Amino acid sequence: EDQVTQSPEALRLQEGESSSLNCSYTVSGLRGLFWYRQDPGKGPEFLFTLYSAGEEKEKERLKATLTKKESFLHITAPKPEDSATYLCAVQARGGAQKLVFGQGTRLTINP
Amino acid sequence: GAVVSQHPSRVICKSGTSVKIECRSLDFQATTMFWYRQFPKQSLMLMATSNEGSKATYEQGVEKDKFLINHASLTLSTLTVTSAHPEDSSFYICSARSRDRGRNEQFFGPGTRLTVL
Repeated sequence: EDQVTQSPEALRLQEGESSSLNCSYTVSGLRGLFWYRQDPGKGPEFLFTLYSAGEEKEKERLKATLTKKESFLHITAPKPEDSATYLCAVQARGGAQKLVFGQGTRLTINP
Repeated sequence: GAVVSQHPSRVICKSGTSVKIECRSLDFQATTMFWYRQFPKQSLMLMATSNEGSKATYEQGVEKDKFLINHASLTLSTLTVTSAHPEDSSFYICSARSRDRGRNEQFFGPGTRLTVL
């Protein structure tokens, strides 16, 4: 069974304090790993897709990396507006296109 | 690009009534749409996958007679919660995958908050 585990569950940082969020996964053949950002009461907003180990993607203060067992979302010099829940999801190879989500990391950036 | 809308954003209904939620891809055609539900402080759980013009595929444990899904066109899918009960109260979110994109991203709607009294 495909599984995704995110850590930590919650993270509180000071503005400008860089850190990383972890996403560990087990999947029967990875088709893609996805990162989303979700604000309270809203749908997830797409951030990145990673397809193979060693791949990296960047967007503003965020950088996502991928290995064969986990992915990291690095946040550099965060600002209060980066506060949100960050969700990781995997998609397995094969006919089904469904995403299996982790529980998310609730990130709070204090000014 | 890749905007998905949902309507209504919030609905309150009495127990025993049916509620329809619409999901639209506004600027792309979606071959596949997905319906999720999310309980407070929990992650998204896939309920069903729908392909345009065919029957939806439901996840294990999801009652297909209770959660009716129709994917009538490449831009519209609907979820009808039949005979709703308080335990059906949740945040329902749809997503869509574009047939024009070479990748596998799913783009999510803003969600519908359902409260059953």
